[in-house]
Amino acid sequence: QSALTQPASVSGSPGQSITISCTGTSSDIGSYNLVSWYQHHPGKAPKLMIYEGSKRPSGVSNRFAGSKSGNTASLTISGLQAEDEADYYCCSYAGTRTLVFGGGTKLAVL
Amino acid sequence: QVQLVESGGGVVQPGRSLRLSCAASGFTFTSHGIHWVRQAPGKGLEWVAFISYDGVNDYYADSVRGRFTISRDNSKNTLSLHMNSLRADDTALYYCAKDPGFGPRPADFWGQGTLVIVSS
Repeated sequence: QSALTQPASVSGSPGQSITISCTGTSSDIGSYNLVSWYQHHPGKAPKLMIYEGSKRPSGVSNRFAGSKSGNTASLTISGLQAEDEADYYCCSYAGTRTLVFGGGTKLAVL
Repeated sequence: QVQLVESGGGVVQPGRSLRLSCAASGFTFTSHGIHWVRQAPGKGLEWVAFISYDGVNDYYADSVRGRFTISRDNSKNTLSLHMNSLRADDTALYYCAKDPGFGPRPADFWGQGTLVIVSS
């Protein structure tokens, strides 16, 4: 159950696009299309932004997009806004009825 | 609307036990598995445990297997996490989170969390 690998931090200016990567293995991300992405503001409940790799829940802005290639999933946020500043976590089904999270990425909107 | 409200957190001495609860509403509780996820201070999210919609199957992270037990009462729409032999590294904000279906798969809705501090 090793954590998925995410960059510790990313930053961008308002209006720009950023991408957060999430690298796993052939036992988790590589084997299942069950990667979700969460936005987490400190002190609040994490919010689902992407599920099943690339699907957006109702109400989530289309500025958020997910993708996957091999053992790596990615979250792209376009048209950055100040309110996007938060921690972002990926999560994947890891087989054997377990889940695994990434270490989290702090997004700064400069 | 979906609501998950955790309770039961507090300060507990190492080696002691604590029981967390999660009250669910706004969805068909008996159609969804439920997870516990925790976040230690300054750290990332860590999946802890999952229980199936019917309470028959439960699964645990290696870090808590044998010490924690997840259970549910479908007649009361509640979930519990019994934590035994607590250690300092169990100190965290504990969230219950709803599975999109029978699961386990990544959760689609989370509660606000309850804080557990293990300290002498």
